[in-house]
Amino acid sequence: AQSVTQPDIHITVSEGASLELRCNYSYGATPYLFWYVQSPGQGLQLLLKYFSGDTLVQGIKGFEAEFKRSQSSFNLRKPSVHWSDAAEYFCAVGAGGNEKLTFGTGTRLTIIP
Amino acid sequence: GAGVSQSPRYKVAKRGQDVALRCDPISGHVSLFWYQQALGQGPEFLTYFQNEAQLDKSGLPSDRFFAERPEGSVSTLKIQRTQQEDSAVYLCASSLRQGSGTQYFGPGTRLLVL
Repeated sequence: AQSVTQPDIHITVSEGASLELRCNYSYGATPYLFWYVQSPGQGLQLLLKYFSGDTLVQGIKGFEAEFKRSQSSFNLRKPSVHWSDAAEYFCAVGAGGNEKLTFGTGTRLTIIP
Repeated sequence: GAGVSQSPRYKVAKRGQDVALRCDPISGHVSLFWYQQALGQGPEFLTYFQNEAQLDKSGLPSDRFFAERPEGSVSTLKIQRTQQEDSAVYLCASSLRQGSGTQYFGPGTRLLVL
């Protein structure tokens, strides 16, 4: 069975600082990997996804993530955070195609001025 | 076109009542998913449709939960005899076609069972 671990429940960073959110997955084959962001009272918005090919993927809002098969990781990064980035971030893994996603428990990001 | 929409956005039910939650997927999207998100947790898969066929219902927590998509578009998630542990946000997602992989989520329905 597939699983996702987000080891950081809550992260606080200063506005303008760099950010890295960790995600480790467990899946037997090449996974489909996703990062979603959820603002309070909102649904999930897709930031980026990895299916195959280049292991460094670019997403919206200046986010990027790197797939590292040897470490079973798909960490999310941003070079300079903005106050509007404060939200809950979820990493998810899919078995491919149109199958269900398995989500991590999320990382809550707080931005301080 | 418009994104995935869900109604109602909020629902308060007394324990034992039946509730029905509606999802309107993005027009033309073949696949539809329901997830349950408890407070402070990530979403958990409930069930999946491809057109009108329910291909996977392995995540439904009990036989009180029932989902349908009779015409391959709008879907309804029904919960019978609601219990307090059913309180959660119910998220619907749709994707364009089999193999596309990307799911687009609606805003969710927040259900509170008293």
